[in-house]
Amino acid sequence: NAGVTQTPKFRILKIGQSMTLQCTQDMNHNYMYWYRQDPGMGLKLIYYSVGAGITDKGEVPNGYNVSRSTTEDFPLRLELAAPSQTSVYFCASRTPERAFFGQGTRLTVV
Amino acid sequence: AQKVTQAQTEISVVEKEDVTLDCVYETRDTTYYLFWYKQPPSGELVFLIRRNSFDEQNEISGRYSWNFQKSTSSFNFTITASQVVDSAVYFCALLTGNQFYFGTGTSLTVIP
Repeated sequence: NAGVTQTPKFRILKIGQSMTLQCTQDMNHNYMYWYRQDPGMGLKLIYYSVGAGITDKGEVPNGYNVSRSTTEDFPLRLELAAPSQTSVYFCASRTPERAFFGQGTRLTVV
Repeated sequence: AQKVTQAQTEISVVEKEDVTLDCVYETRDTTYYLFWYKQPPSGELVFLIRRNSFDEQNEISGRYSWNFQKSTSSFNFTITASQVVDSAVYFCALLTGNQFYFGTGTSLTVIP
């Protein structure tokens, strides 16, 4: 019963590097989301998807890209990492009534 | 515009005290869901409760209870006889349309 799986759990990047945060869900949910959580703050929506092949920007999309080639996978790409992207990233999927969150990825850009 | 406000940034209580966490939301949609999530120090988000906009019935689950009032756009959460294990950050969230809107969270510390 895996639910939503995020990898990696921790990562340190140097300024200007790129990386992909992986997110997979095994519940066949159409809706998937990427959030970032800065210290002492709530979750801010980066991108979301309502189904395979469909993505849309959230509140803070700059510096990120996503793709949704399958129902299961929703990777988040960081291009040219900046210190401002130091955060905890959460992936989620949902039914009409409830969201399921991954364990989070703690990313530090130095 | 959609918005969730948790005015209490931090709360400290002594163990066994009751504590209420406030949540006020804004939306013009008539169909929406409200949630509470708990984020313990380990960092994961734990689902506590969901309410839809047509169900104002209050709910009690063990030491937890929720008071949903559409008239004041509030969805408050009470922990009775608090325990140290209740120490966490609690988030209120609004789901409407395709998106969740989260409050900034209330950090609860229960002092033994």
